[in-house]
Amino acid sequence: GAVVSQHPSRVICKSGTSVKIECRSLDFQATTMFWYRQFPKQSLMLMATSNEGSKATYEQGVEKDKFLINHASLTLSTLTVTSAHPEDSSFYICSASFLRRGFNEQFFGPGTRLTVL
Amino acid sequence: AQKITQTQPGMFVQEKEAVTLDCTYDTSDQSYGLFWYKQPSSGEMIFLIYQGSYDEQNATEGRYSLNFQKARKSANLVISASQLGDSAMYFCAMREEQGGSEKLVFGKGTKLTVNP
Repeated sequence: GAVVSQHPSRVICKSGTSVKIECRSLDFQATTMFWYRQFPKQSLMLMATSNEGSKATYEQGVEKDKFLINHASLTLSTLTVTSAHPEDSSFYICSASFLRRGFNEQFFGPGTRLTVL
Repeated sequence: AQKITQTQPGMFVQEKEAVTLDCTYDTSDQSYGLFWYKQPSSGEMIFLIYQGSYDEQNATEGRYSLNFQKARKSANLVISASQLGDSAMYFCAMREEQGGSEKLVFGKGTKLTVNP
């Protein structure tokens, strides 16, 4: 149980275009969803936290207008990278959480590798 | 200041031997939790083991065990009988509460290479 999917797994796009990444919790309803970014050979950095039906909370330094997050339901969150540029190329990982072991435990999706040409 | 410190950028171990990956953490909270994740080259984050701050016994999951020393604020991962498939990045993470929401803070990771 506690499976999280991401789509697409890989995407290559031209500079200036927008890319949407979907994150779904397949067998549970998530209280919160998280979006992370990981550059090569680096750790995961939290970008934003979102709850269903409310605005996402962005971490310091993350541009809200650049990375649009829509948390449409308890099982779906989307991240749209608007007007993508080569520096946005990265590995994006989502996680979804629900109450387990007395806290909101996060379960990770398989990640999306974005390459902007 | 770093909240999770992994001092070993890379570690090497012979197949079938045990290896310890270090993790120290910094928090003033009384209630917290520590995780270890494995990230192979495919990129997925694989949960390995969890230790709650109030857990009296060290966590174990198969070949993985967590050497939790609360006073020293360390949570080292021990992998016994290493296998070639254990070669991957390993991240230590701490659960913390900020602004009413729970977040995970990750260390920089340790790249483990298992040699045949």
